[in-house]
Amino acid sequence: GENVEQHPSTLSVQEGDSAVIKCTYSDSASNYFPWYKQELGKGPQLIIDIRSNVGEKKDQRIAVTLNKTAKHFSLHITETQPEDSAVYFCAALSGGYQKVTFGTGTKLQVIP
Amino acid sequence: ETGVTQTPRHLVMGMTNKKSLKCEQHLGHNAMYWYKQSAKKPLELMFVYSLEERVENNSVPSRFSPECPNSSHLFLHLHTLQPEDSALYLCASSQDLPGGTEAFFGQGTRLTVV
Repeated sequence: GENVEQHPSTLSVQEGDSAVIKCTYSDSASNYFPWYKQELGKGPQLIIDIRSNVGEKKDQRIAVTLNKTAKHFSLHITETQPEDSAVYFCAALSGGYQKVTFGTGTKLQVIP
Repeated sequence: ETGVTQTPRHLVMGMTNKKSLKCEQHLGHNAMYWYKQSAKKPLELMFVYSLEERVENNSVPSRFSPECPNSSHLFLHLHTLQPEDSALYLCASSQDLPGGTEAFFGQGTRLTVV
């Protein structure tokens, strides 16, 4: 089955700096890679996703890159703000969420 | 507000109790899921319903029993739980497509078994 590894488990950055979270996956059949943000007391919410036919996707301060050959994908947050503080999860799947594998999460703290 | 509503938000139950968690979505999705979220562990998929039929049961103990009466509602019936079952239980829904789509999560039920 799929195995997703996520690093780092915790990350502290100064407000305004960039944050990078990395994930690797094992199943070459995985073709959809979402990133979820989970704030305290809430469920995870999608912030960005990328499909296997694309190498990079950007949405304002958030970007995701995918290297299919190396089987890794990364989340980049620029100009971090205190409200970016949360736990971030990566995931890899092909088709429906019955085949999804989530990473273990990264707790991001943005220090004002 | 994600469009997926879970009740109750918090639940404390004894090991001999029977309780049910409820999930509701009106997003028109064709699949619903129960996940267990424990500290320092990846999200664990418990049950999947696609078009109201259960498609996967990841060897979850029988003290957890799901029910999906229609495409908008999902229940998780709990009985004779153990303290290690204490966790955040998340419901999610998605429109299953071959290329993958976003899953919408509820806010979860924080379950404590005493």
